[in-house]
Amino acid sequence: QVQLQESGPGLVKPSETLSLTCTVSGFSIRDGYYWGWIRQPPGKGLEWIGIIYHRGGTYYSPSLQSRVTISADTSKNQFSLKLRFVTAADTALYYCARADSSGYRSLDSWGQGILVTVSS
Amino acid sequence: DIQMTQSPSSLSASVGDRVTITCRASQSIGNFLSWYQQKPGKAPRLLIYAASSLQSGVPSRFSGSGSGTDFTLTISSLQPEDFATYYCQQSYTTPWTFGQGAKVGIK
Repeated sequence: QVQLQESGPGLVKPSETLSLTCTVSGFSIRDGYYWGWIRQPPGKGLEWIGIIYHRGGTYYSPSLQSRVTISADTSKNQFSLKLRFVTAADTALYYCARADSSGYRSLDSWGQGILVTVSS
Repeated sequence: DIQMTQSPSSLSASVGDRVTITCRASQSIGNFLSWYQQKPGKAPRLLIYAASSLQSGVPSRFSGSGSGTDFTLTISSLQPEDFATYYCQQSYTTPWTFGQGAKVGIK
C-alpha cells in the first residue's frame, strides 16, 4: 500500500524559499501516476499547486507558476516542492498526493500534511 | 481556470438523514470529477472518482452522479462518522480545481 510523507521546515521567513519533500513508500514513482502538491490555508479550502508526471513533465497553478518548482528524485523515491519569495499568504497545511495518470486523475493517496508558517 | 461551485456551503443534518451536495463546473468537464471527505486535522480522503465510481473501501451509502457541468454527492443514510467537510474537484484540465467545500454538521 502506497504511503506518502511530507517533510521540511515548519517556519519560513518572508521572501525566502519554502522547500518540502514528499517521500513515497510502497510504490516506485518512476512506475507511473502523477505526484502533486495541494495546500490548505488555516480554516480554508483546498488549493491545487501542481503535479509532476512520472516521466518528468510538470503542470503548475497559473497563480503560482512564477514562483513554484516541482521536481522528482527517483533514486530516493521522493518528489519536492520549492516555492520562492513566500509571504504570509503562503502559510498553509501542505499535502503531497498521488493521482492516477491512466484514468480520471483522482487523488487517491495523500500524505498527512505539514504546516508551514511564513513569519519573521 | 474552471471554477467549481458547491452548494450548500454548510448544512445541518441528523443521523439517518439523506444528504445531497451539489457541485457545478463553469464549463463541461465530462466525468473528470472526484469527491473527497475531510475531517478536522486529517488529510482529504477520496470517496468518488469519475463522477460516480466508488473508491475501494468507501461505504456504499456514498454515491455520486452527474456529467458535464452538474454533479451530486449523496449520502443515503448519514452516519456519525460522516460529519465532515466534502470537496469536489475537477481533473479535466489543469489547473485542477476544487470546490469551496460543504460542511456537514450535526443538527
